[in-house]
Amino acid sequence: GAVVSQHPSRVICKSGTSVKIECRSLDFQATTMFWYRQFPKQSLMLMATSNEGSKATYEQGVEKDKFLINHASLTLSTLTVTSAHPEDSSFYICSAILETGQGGEKLFFGSGTQLSVL
Amino acid sequence: QKEVEQDPGPLSVPEGAIVSLNCTYSNSAFQYFMWYRQYSRKGPELLMYTYSSGNKEDGRFTAQVDKSSKYISLFIRDSQPSDSATYLCAMRRSSASKIIFGSGTRLSIRP
Repeated sequence: GAVVSQHPSRVICKSGTSVKIECRSLDFQATTMFWYRQFPKQSLMLMATSNEGSKATYEQGVEKDKFLINHASLTLSTLTVTSAHPEDSSFYICSAILETGQGGEKLFFGSGTQLSVL
Repeated sequence: QKEVEQDPGPLSVPEGAIVSLNCTYSNSAFQYFMWYRQYSRKGPELLMYTYSSGNKEDGRFTAQVDKSSKYISLFIRDSQPSDSATYLCAMRRSSASKIIFGSGTRLSIRP
């Protein structure tokens, strides 16, 4: 099946630093990618929709200056958590849409990034 | 009321049992229905994808959609310890709309 690669899988950083997370679609082109945040034992919370070649669309309550998204190519989207603080510690997951033809779409996820801000 | 309701569990069954996982929803406009499996600290993995009502089978997994009752199910036959994970239902109105996820059901298969 389609593969979405996400790196790094785990990052520990000091408060105030910025962290970049990469999401790549390995065997297909993805015009649209999504970034989610997940707290322990909770479901996925959509943060933003990343569109290749245009600005990301952020969900209500998500600070666009805090969570910078860049979708520079059809296979790569990046999420940068700027000036990270302990409350930003969470599990971040990206996903990409694979168009299956005849108007169908399937959503595939990366393996996630566990961010811990000290 | 949430758009998608899913019992968080945990659900514990013995190995070999048939597992039934369910979600209800309130928006009759949903047409695309998905089930994902998520292991701890991993990204969700797509298990089943169905459009509109009906059944779909793939190996030990069967997905059912009853749009009249706004109810979807995932059945796992001959359950294995490796099936222990969190199962998320998800749905959307159209191919261009946002995907709405259930909160996930934690499943444990006892050897």
